[in-house]
Amino acid sequence: AQRVTQPEKLLSVFKGAPVELKCNYSYSGSPELFWYVQYSRQRLQLLLRHISRESIKGFTADLNKGETSFHLKKPFAQEEDSAMYYCALRNAGGTSYGKLTFGQGTILTVHP
Amino acid sequence: NAGVTQTPKFQVLKTGQSMTLQCAQDMNHEYMSWYRQDPGMGLRLIHYSVGAGITDQGEVPNGYNVSRSTTEDFPLRLLSAAPSQTSVYFCASSSSVGGYTVFGPGTRLTVL
Repeated sequence: AQRVTQPEKLLSVFKGAPVELKCNYSYSGSPELFWYVQYSRQRLQLLLRHISRESIKGFTADLNKGETSFHLKKPFAQEEDSAMYYCALRNAGGTSYGKLTFGQGTILTVHP
Repeated sequence: NAGVTQTPKFQVLKTGQSMTLQCAQDMNHEYMSWYRQDPGMGLRLIHYSVGAGITDQGEVPNGYNVSRSTTEDFPLRLLSAAPSQTSVYFCASSSSVGGYTVFGPGTRLTVL
């Protein structure tokens, strides 16, 4: 069974400090990994996907297949980064393509 | 494009009542899903569909029904509401053509 684990429920940092949100997964096939962000009482928005290898709003994430991790990083946190962050996994093919498995989420608070 | 739309935004039900949460997308996505969001549990898949006329159960399907008569619409029916169904419900859609999952704005449901 596939599983996504985000070990930190809450993460607090000060503005300008580096931030890392952890995500570990277990999956036997070929997964796609995503980070979604949810600002207060809004819909989930895609932040990053591992196949794009891009940086969005200063965030990056690298898929480490050996450690089965997809940690989200930003070198200098901003107050507007305060939000709920979800790591999610999707089967890269087949009829399960439309299904996402989510981690429990991490609430990031960036203090001024 | 309106993307993924959901109605209503808020709903209060009494135990035993039934209702339908509406979801529509205008992106011609073949995959549509329903998730529920609960504190500390992330998002969990209720039902999903790989195309018109085809649906399947997700992780937490009990107490919910779905149907997909058109590509655009994917309503979620609560047959007999229970307090355990108090949650925020998100509809989502995605395409197999290199796409990522797009979420609706959510429906906040309270069952008394």
